[in-house]
Parts: sequence; C-alpha cells; structure tokens
Amino acid sequence: QKEVEQNSGPLSVPEGAIASLNCTYSDRGSQSFFWYRQYSGKSPELIMSIYSNGDKEDGRFTAQLNKASQYVSLLIRDSQPSDSATYLCAVSAAGGTSYGKLTFGQGTILTVHP
Amino acid sequence: DGGITQSPKYLFRKEGQNVTLSCEQNLNHDAMYWYRQDPGQGLRLIYYSQIVNDFQKGDIAEGYSVSREKKESFPLTVTSAQKNPTAFYLCASKRQVTDYQPQHFGDGTRLSIL
Repeated sequence: QKEVEQNSGPLSVPEGAIASLNCTYSDRGSQSFFWYRQYSGKSPELIMSIYSNGDKEDGRFTAQLNKASQYVSLLIRDSQPSDSATYLCAVSAAGGTSYGKLTFGQGTILTVHP
Repeated sequence: DGGITQSPKYLFRKEGQNVTLSCEQNLNHDAMYWYRQDPGQGLRLIYYSQIVNDFQKGDIAEGYSVSREKKESFPLTVTSAQKNPTAFYLCASKRQVTDYQPQHFGDGTRLSIL
C-alpha cells in the first residue's frame, strides 16, 4: 500500500512566523509532488509543485524535496491569518497504469493567530 | 473562463436511490478523476479516465459507477450499493494521465443521506 503521511496537527503559529509542514511518502519511484491548500468547505487549490531535489520558492512559499529521504516539506514565511487552512500533500505515482494518480496525505490543519 | 464545473453543490439521497453527480470541464483535458473526501481526511480516488470511453477503478470504486461518453464530461453515479455515501465529492482534471502536471479541482458536491 503506497502511503503519504503528513505531520499531525493541528499546527498553530503566530502571525509573521514561519510555518513548517512536512510529508513523507513510501513509493520510492514517485516523480511529482504537490501541495494543495483547502479552506474549510472548499475544494483544494494548488499552491506548489516540485519535481526535483532541492528547494523551490514562490513568494512566501518554499517547497523542499529530498527523494533519498522520501521527504517533502512546505515552508510558509511571514504567515498570515489568511493562510489558516488545511494543507494537503499529494504524490504522483510512477510507472505502469499508475501514471497521473495522486495519493494524498490526511492533511495538516494550520492556524495562524494574530 | 476555463474550468471544471460540478453540480449540484449539495445533494441528498434517499435510501435505495441512485444519484448522479455532474462534472464538466472546458479545459480540453484528456484525464479526469473523481475523489471522495470524508471529514478530517485526505482525498481517496474513486475512478479515473484517460480518454473518452475508457475509465479505470481507483482505490474505493465499490458502489460507484462512471461513464465517459464525451471528453468534457465525466459523471459519477453513487449507487444504492454504496452504504455510506455521505462525503464531499471532488472532480479533477489534467491534460493527460501520462504527464506529471498537477490536477485541478472543481468546487465539489456535498452528498448527504436523507
């Protein structure tokens, strides 16, 4: 069973702090990694994609990937109350008929308090 | 505007009844997906389709059926065999099953039992 595990929450940080969200995956052949943000009652919204080892930055968001350790993380700098949401880590399986299928973690609830 | 449209937003099912959830996209995407999300959990894949007249079972296909008669449309039927249908249903699409691009989601349908 291919799994994606996220750090258990909820995570609470003060406004302006760095929020760190972590995710591990079991399928060593995974090729694509995504972070989605989901506000309560809404559908997931893509915020970051990462495909190769290292860091990828987009505004206040930085995704980090380490395929050897099977680990992907999301850092949110200068956290704002509007960042309060559930963050879903998703991993795309590789090979055969698994192409394109996403496996999701259970999500981490982030609360940014003023 | 290009996007994925799901309808209805809310749906109620009586015992023994089949209900159909609509998903339409105008993004010219080949690949379409249906997910189920239960409270506090990640998304689980029900069915996916990579091309017209072709679809594959996901991880939790029992009690569900789909069709793909047009590229734009991928309706999901929740049959009476699905004994616990209450959940948030999300439709997603992307250009092709075999690329590594992210999936994008519709706004979802919330299904409840009457």
